[in-house]
Amino acid sequence: DQQVKQNSPSLSVQEGRISILNCDYTNSMFDYFLWYKKYPAEGPTFLISISSIKDKNEDGRFTVFLNKSAKHLSLHIVPSQPGDSAVYFCAASGRGRGGSQGNLIFGKGTKLSVKP
Amino acid sequence: DVKVTQSSRYLVKRTGEKVFLECVQDMDHENMFWYRQDPGLGLRLIYFSYDVKMKEKGDIPEGYSVSREKKERFSLILESASTNQTSMYLCASSLQTYGYTFGSGTRLTVV
Repeated sequence: DQQVKQNSPSLSVQEGRISILNCDYTNSMFDYFLWYKKYPAEGPTFLISISSIKDKNEDGRFTVFLNKSAKHLSLHIVPSQPGDSAVYFCAASGRGRGGSQGNLIFGKGTKLSVKP
Repeated sequence: DVKVTQSSRYLVKRTGEKVFLECVQDMDHENMFWYRQDPGLGLRLIYFSYDVKMKEKGDIPEGYSVSREKKERFSLILESASTNQTSMYLCASSLQTYGYTFGSGTRLTVV
């Protein structure tokens, strides 16, 4: 059963507008969340992260919001640019054995297309 | 910056061949991972390793094995390649699981 879900396989947005990518998780033990961005024929690159002790983290045009009660996080990109067109993966981790951080669990990704 | 290098960007192999995918990282990371990415299926973990000579199965280990003889190198082995192993293979490393650094990927086609 999927622990990290990205229910929208694709999203199309006009340049300059806001892009909102959503992610839901089922495991309440997750305490760290990340977003990765992937261009075709390249490996994913880290974009932004948030710890469960926060509800918002901002980095330039990118903001991640965390709603722990709803087990939901979202990535906002404002303003969207054509270069943001990529696949975005949500990932989560929690404490594993011995108290160490467990492996990242990835969602299936959302393909964002930003149209000029 | 951490660099994760995958030896090949594109590979074409025949069914039944033994295939080696190599991954090297240059930042003394303990953790290394192999994923495959397929459309609609996202990133699926094949194997991972927390230390030299250690390996653990991920979600889809069938048909694969791994080798980690040195800390910086993590190899993925397809013992007898099949067409359903045609995919993008991604290697990653991390010091802690807080953030992975990925290689550029190897696009493997099995014909």
